Amino acid sequence: SQQGEEDPQALSIQEGENATMNCSYKTSINNLQWYRQNSGRGLVHLILIRSNEREKHSGRLRVTLDTSKKSSSLLITASRAADTASYFCATDASYSGGSNYKLTFGKGTLLTVNP
Amino acid sequence: NAGVMQNPRHLVRRRGQEARLRCSPMKGHSHVYWYRQLPEEGLKFMVYLQKENIIDESGMPKERFSAEFPKEGPSILRIQQVVRGDSAAYFCASSPPMGGTGYSYEQFFGPGTRLTVL
Repeated sequence: SQQGEEDPQALSIQEGENATMNCSYKTSINNLQWYRQNSGRGLVHLILIRSNEREKHSGRLRVTLDTSKKSSSLLITASRAADTASYFCATDASYSGGSNYKLTFGKGTLLTVNP
Repeated sequence: NAGVMQNPRHLVRRRGQEARLRCSPMKGHSHVYWYRQLPEEGLKFMVYLQKENIIDESGMPKERFSAEFPKEGPSILRIQQVVRGDSAAYFCASSPPMGGTGYSYEQFFGPGTRLTVL
């Protein structure tokens, strides 16, 4: 079953606005990571948040993690046209016998920032 | 500090041919992972290797697919007798040795190899 699922599937906003993407997962995790992928390109690592952390910031990015709801959100403030990309969350498992190296990705949120 | 390198970036093969995908991890990284991305899908884990060892190949098809990470040189993902369904983007990621228990490090991804099977 799908571990990480992003919501919404697609998001279109104007430059300068904030963009919020959500990720839900099913099993307990060690860490949750967010990645960006530009069309036809590789993945760029954005941020990792550990299961004992609730919030993390990096530049214009803010990530929250609610382990009780098994969900995370990625907020991009003051968006730019260059932020247009697909955004994926990836989780690793912490259940007994699970492997914390095996990342499970959702299908991603396609963010379009219009100039 | 060069990132994860993959080559070729694009590979075209006819059905029945072999595909060899190469991955050089980031300097200081001894763990390599291969993922496959089908169109409009997220990445799916295939295999996890350390130098000269396959740690977990649970995501890799049992037939036609193999992976190695020799003592010297890049990691290789090999697909024999390719079929159209193998067309996908194949990404390699690397991470430094994991410290302690229960924590993993960020996985840094290469640009991917886009395989097209005609």
